[in-house]
Amino acid sequence: AQRVTQPEKLLSVFKGAPVELKCNYSYSGSPELFWYVQYSRQRLQLLLRHISRESIKGFTADLNKGETSFHLKKPFAQEEDSAMYYCALSPTGGYQKVTFGTGTKLQVIP
Amino acid sequence: EAQVTQNPRYLITVTGKKLTVTCSQNMNHEYMSWYRQDPGLGLRQIYYSMNVEVTDKGDVPEGYKVSRKEKRNFPLILESPSPNQTSLYFCASALSAGNNEQFFGPGTRLTVL
Repeated sequence: AQRVTQPEKLLSVFKGAPVELKCNYSYSGSPELFWYVQYSRQRLQLLLRHISRESIKGFTADLNKGETSFHLKKPFAQEEDSAMYYCALSPTGGYQKVTFGTGTKLQVIP
Repeated sequence: EAQVTQNPRYLITVTGKKLTVTCSQNMNHEYMSWYRQDPGLGLRQIYYSMNVEVTDKGDVPEGYKVSRKEKRNFPLILESPSPNQTSLYFCASALSAGNNEQFFGPGTRLTVL
């Protein structure tokens, strides 16, 4: 069974401080990992996915297969980063069955 | 505008009264999916569809039905709703089941009394 764990329900950081949102996964095969973000009153949207290795809005995430982690990082938090963040996993080769974590609310304090 | 639409956006109903939540996308996407979002539980997949006439169960399919007769529509059916199905429901679509970005609808808030 595939599982995604986001241990923090709420993460509060000051503006300009580094951010790390944790995501750990459990999957027997080779997974595809994603980060989705939901800003207040907006739809859930893709932030980044590990296969593209992009940096979006200053966020990066590296898939660590040894530690089965896909932590989301940003060196300097901005107020507009305040949102709900979800880590998600699907089997390699397709969405098929998708498993989301429980989400972490990021609060950036001015 | 390319988007995923859901109707209704809000619904209050009573136990046992059959209901359908519609989902439609205008992006010619092959893959569609339904999720429910509950506090502390995140998003859980109910059903997904890889293409027309192809559907499969997600993690929490009990009490729900879906159909995919047309590419653009993927309705969620609750034959006999119960209070534990009170939740926020999201529909999503993706170009294909091949690591493509999922586009989400605005959500439907369902209350079953």
